[in-house]
Amino acid sequence: EIVLTQSPATLSLSPGERATLSCRASQSVSTYLAWYQQKPGQAPRLLIFDASNRATGIPARFSGSGSGTDFTLTIGSLEPEDFAVYYCQQRSNWPPLTFGGGTKVEIK
Amino acid sequence: QVQLVESGGGVVQPGRSLRLSCAVSGFTFRNYGMHWVRQAPGKGLEWVAVVSYDGSNKYYADSVKGRVTISRDNSKNTLYLQMNSLRAEDTAVYYCAKDPGYYESSGQFDYWGQGTLVTVSS
Repeated sequence: EIVLTQSPATLSLSPGERATLSCRASQSVSTYLAWYQQKPGQAPRLLIFDASNRATGIPARFSGSGSGTDFTLTIGSLEPEDFAVYYCQQRSNWPPLTFGGGTKVEIK
Repeated sequence: QVQLVESGGGVVQPGRSLRLSCAVSGFTFRNYGMHWVRQAPGKGLEWVAVVSYDGSNKYYADSVKGRVTISRDNSKNTLYLQMNSLRAEDTAVYYCAKDPGYYESSGQFDYWGQGTLVTVSS
């Protein structure tokens, strides 16, 4: 099973700042990595698929990069609605599909 | 618009059974694989199971294998999760999620339901 480790666990930032979230895989997942956003009381939403492709309707301030074992989700300039928990997920070697533990982006 | 609506959650005693349903609309259900993903209170996401577009292939997480059965009825646009021998650690919000792969499941989730809470407690 591929283990995904996200860091940091919590990121405290102000609106307008840049957010950089990390996801590291226990073995290479090529570019088969997705990012999801989850707000309290809501279902997750797909942001990025295959490491760097924005899903339909996702603003350009969200970008993904990386390959192999190291991946980054960048939010260029935080909007108030971006404060949420973010999860990475791999589909390189499944089943099982696995998620990282999440990064909470909170208002500083 | 795509909609996925789960139902069937509730409070159940350890060892008992429960069946969850997910009614979908807004896309051609029979052409896509479907997943169940769960989230324990205050915890992260855990993939549970997947069923192929035609129901012929099913895969499960080790944590539920042998106790859970995923199925679908393409004539009713509905996904199911039959859960038996429930344990306290199965307490979670259960989400159904659509796979974006056309006919072949890709292992991603492009649409999610709002979730249904299952609480296993005596």
